[in-house]
Amino acid sequence: DAKTTQPPSMDCAEGRAANLPCNHSTISGNEYVYWYRQIHSQGPQYIIHGLKNNETNEMASLIITEDRKSSTLILPHATLRDTAVYYCISFSSNTGKLIFGQGTTLQVKP
Amino acid sequence: GAVVSQHPSWVICKSGTSVKIECRSLDFQATTMFWYRQFPKQSLMLMATSNEGSKATYEQGVEKDKFLINHASLTLSTLTVTSAHPEDSSFYICSAGTGSSGANVLTFGAGSRLTVL
Repeated sequence: DAKTTQPPSMDCAEGRAANLPCNHSTISGNEYVYWYRQIHSQGPQYIIHGLKNNETNEMASLIITEDRKSSTLILPHATLRDTAVYYCISFSSNTGKLIFGQGTTLQVKP
Repeated sequence: GAVVSQHPSWVICKSGTSVKIECRSLDFQATTMFWYRQFPKQSLMLMATSNEGSKATYEQGVEKDKFLINHASLTLSTLTVTSAHPEDSSFYICSAGTGSSGANVLTFGAGSRLTVL
């Protein structure tokens, strides 16, 4: 599975959009980009995933660059409850495994 | 949506005893489940892949005789930490997939916190 790189931490003001970047420059054509988040002492929660097209659901939007080497997770209106560690993961159906990196700790501030 | 349940959510045991953690997919069948371990302030580390009806596949460096995995049905996988020691104290998390064309959204359990005294 391709390695992903994320900034270790970010801050965001409550009510503003949180934009979390992820680099996956070695991603292969059949690897999906997945985003999960983990709130303290809980299991990871699925947010969104995509292959090459931008995706949106009730939680977030995922913007994938045309060359697929990077992506951005957008939480449109961050709340205090969005404070968590956000993991960007490249997933291959060949292995079926989700390999977690270090993630980005997002702190939403009042 | 898909729900994965883990039990117990926390357990304290004495050094040398064995502890069993259950992972159940409540509303779907999972031929494959995954077990992770997470130490404080660290990311999740994949320990093994649990396959229904066959032997688990362990990641490099994970002792298969130490961490026994059984996946006897399509909705239940168990992880047994044998002869537990304080260094086995950790947060153990399982996940299971619903599966779909090329993508596989894994649902995670709430985790089981093991403390070995």
